Amino acid sequence: AQTVTQSQPEMSVQEAETVTLSCTYDTSESDYYLFWYKQPPSRQMILVIRQEAYKQQNATENRFSVNFQKAAKSFSLKISDSQLGDAAMYFCAYRPYDGGTSYGKLTFGQGTILTVHP
Amino acid sequence: SQTIHQWPATLVQPVGSPLSLECTVEGTSNPNLYWYRQAAGRGLQLLFYSVGIGQISSEVPQNLSASRPQDRQFILSSKKLLLSDSGFYLCAWSRQGGEKLFFGSGTQLSVL
Repeated sequence: AQTVTQSQPEMSVQEAETVTLSCTYDTSESDYYLFWYKQPPSRQMILVIRQEAYKQQNATENRFSVNFQKAAKSFSLKISDSQLGDAAMYFCAYRPYDGGTSYGKLTFGQGTILTVHP
Repeated sequence: SQTIHQWPATLVQPVGSPLSLECTVEGTSNPNLYWYRQAAGRGLQLLFYSVGIGQISSEVPQNLSASRPQDRQFILSSKKLLLSDSGFYLCAWSRQGGEKLFFGSGTQLSVL
């Protein structure tokens, strides 16, 4: 069974600084997807960024980027130029590649609470 | 564009009472639908998923059930709530074969 581990229950960063959130996962699959979701105080789950395992290039979305190390099964999220609105709980998630069949289920980590200090 | 609606936003129910949470998706057809639960503000646990009308798969044994009476409607139910059913419930959808999940706004359920 796949497992996702976020070893940092809480992290903090100063506004405009950079912070990195860690995530490791365990799988025997070779093809899969990895995601970072953000859950602000409103509790709405928002997709931040995704990575396909078969792509070596790290995904980037504006101030958000990942460091994907497939051999180490590591998937960290880097937030640059942190803003007060980045304060939230961040979840790492894994989804196997199901070959285009009709469903895919996410396995989530336990989350990291990010505080941004002005 | 696609939207997902989930209601109610909050619910307080006594132990032993029934439960019905509803989720509907607009702007797409034949979506995959999911119910997740988040306990104590931490990780999400998949409870049920559905790939079509009347097709429900359960991920964990529990006091809850799910139904999909229409293509874009997903219902989470219980005949008798337990204290342990308290939590934050999130409905989500994805396209058939799609890798992205899109979440509703959630229901905070408190069983007293």
